[in-house]
Amino acid sequence: DTGVSQDPRHKITKRGQNVTFRCDPISEHNRLYWYRQTLGQGPEFLTYFQNEAQLEKSRLLSDRFSAERPKGSFSTLEIQRTEQGDSAMYLCASSLGDRGSRETQYFGPGTRLLVL
Amino acid sequence: KQEVTQIPAALSVPEGENLVLNCSFTDSAIYNLQWFRQDPGKGLTSLLLIQSSQREQTSGRLNASLDKSSGRSTLYIAASQPGDSATYLCAVRRSTTSNTGKLIFGQGTTLQVKP
Repeated sequence: DTGVSQDPRHKITKRGQNVTFRCDPISEHNRLYWYRQTLGQGPEFLTYFQNEAQLEKSRLLSDRFSAERPKGSFSTLEIQRTEQGDSAMYLCASSLGDRGSRETQYFGPGTRLLVL
Repeated sequence: KQEVTQIPAALSVPEGENLVLNCSFTDSAIYNLQWFRQDPGKGLTSLLLIQSSQREQTSGRLNASLDKSSGRSTLYIAASQPGDSATYLCAVRRSTTSNTGKLIFGQGTTLQVKP
């Protein structure tokens, strides 16, 4: 169990560029979540996958955002035409199931995005 | 709409002191409540998960309680150490039919334990 990994850890981009982040969950975990955290705030939910199916999307996830989880393994989060307001820490989490201790969400180290 | 509030936003205590962090939520229809720790610039580490049917959970020097009816949870840290310095976040999972497991977080309490 190597934990949840995210790549890259840091990304600096210019306004209007597209960026893509990757998340590798803990191998046997079928549930995967993306959250966004701005400075001084708690994380905010963006989207949720159960295996390869995207089952919930927040209203925060505008049409510039898209997330995928092909084959139910790793996930990618793409932001098109980035804006300065997209600057934040993007966190990925995974869990084993939906009952008892299986639903504990394990978080990755995050990808910090800065849009200039 | 579920809202989660943590007070105070920041707390500074001398080493060895016992302390309590507070979390309140507006909708008592929760599935569970989790406490996390976040070190600066890092991801979150799960500390304790309390199911809606439980009153408390303990792990080492940490004890978390849950009072659903009043919409409150507390995280008790015994004999605080400088290594406990971090931001502590509580998060609730709503009890809904869709039950996707998404968490709603408070803003966090930043704790500093002085040697």
